[in-house]
Amino acid sequence: GAGVSQSPSNKVTEKGKDVELRCDPISGHTALYWYRQSLGQGLEFLIYFQGNSAPDKSGLPSDRFSAERTGGSVSTLTIQRTQQEDSAVYLCASSLGSGGKGTGELFFGEGSRLTVL
Amino acid sequence: AQKITQTQPGMFVQEKEAVTLDCTYDTSDPSYGLFWYKQPSSGEMIFLIYQGSYDQQNATEGRYSLNFQKARKSANLVISASQLGDSAMYFCAMRGLIRTGANSKLTFGKGITLSVRP
Repeated sequence: GAGVSQSPSNKVTEKGKDVELRCDPISGHTALYWYRQSLGQGLEFLIYFQGNSAPDKSGLPSDRFSAERTGGSVSTLTIQRTQQEDSAVYLCASSLGSGGKGTGELFFGEGSRLTVL
Repeated sequence: AQKITQTQPGMFVQEKEAVTLDCTYDTSDPSYGLFWYKQPSSGEMIFLIYQGSYDQQNATEGRYSLNFQKARKSANLVISASQLGDSAMYFCAMRGLIRTGANSKLTFGKGITLSVRP
């Protein structure tokens, strides 16, 4: 498809289990973002990949959270030893990396809804 | 670092009337971009409008316009002729524009809920 693809769309897991969330960005987009959105709340920045640069991990809430981006394309967000407070919608977005004349707007996926029981 | 502030409580507007959604920001970047996104109940994030800090004119996109007041560090969204489909959560966001042209991360405000009454 032409848009940002995320999987799974819904994930229910038990406290303490590890989960992996996948994001396939728009082809040609060099920038990839992960955000977290709790129910009725704003978007909390988690991590940002830009081309071959070191990722900006400043938003990761704890060392249980990690993300990688392979081959400059697909990204996986991993949450280890999940806790109930990790329940949220995890949104992935991509954009063209360079500003240029374009806005650099983010194109979002539909999100992965994580529920930790 | 950037900070976006959206403090309005839930907003209500009558169909066909105009509404202004407030956004103030703070940044140390000399050059930056401001964005508005719409999130309906379906959850998708829809890009609405962009304003560059050095743009001479306020941005407009159809029924959306951005009232950019740089000295006040405000970037309010104006929606004209509101429609029932405008009922959604609206997020203001910003990023610094690094000299090399690469984008920095996009920082979002907490959002404002808009309800359009028939």
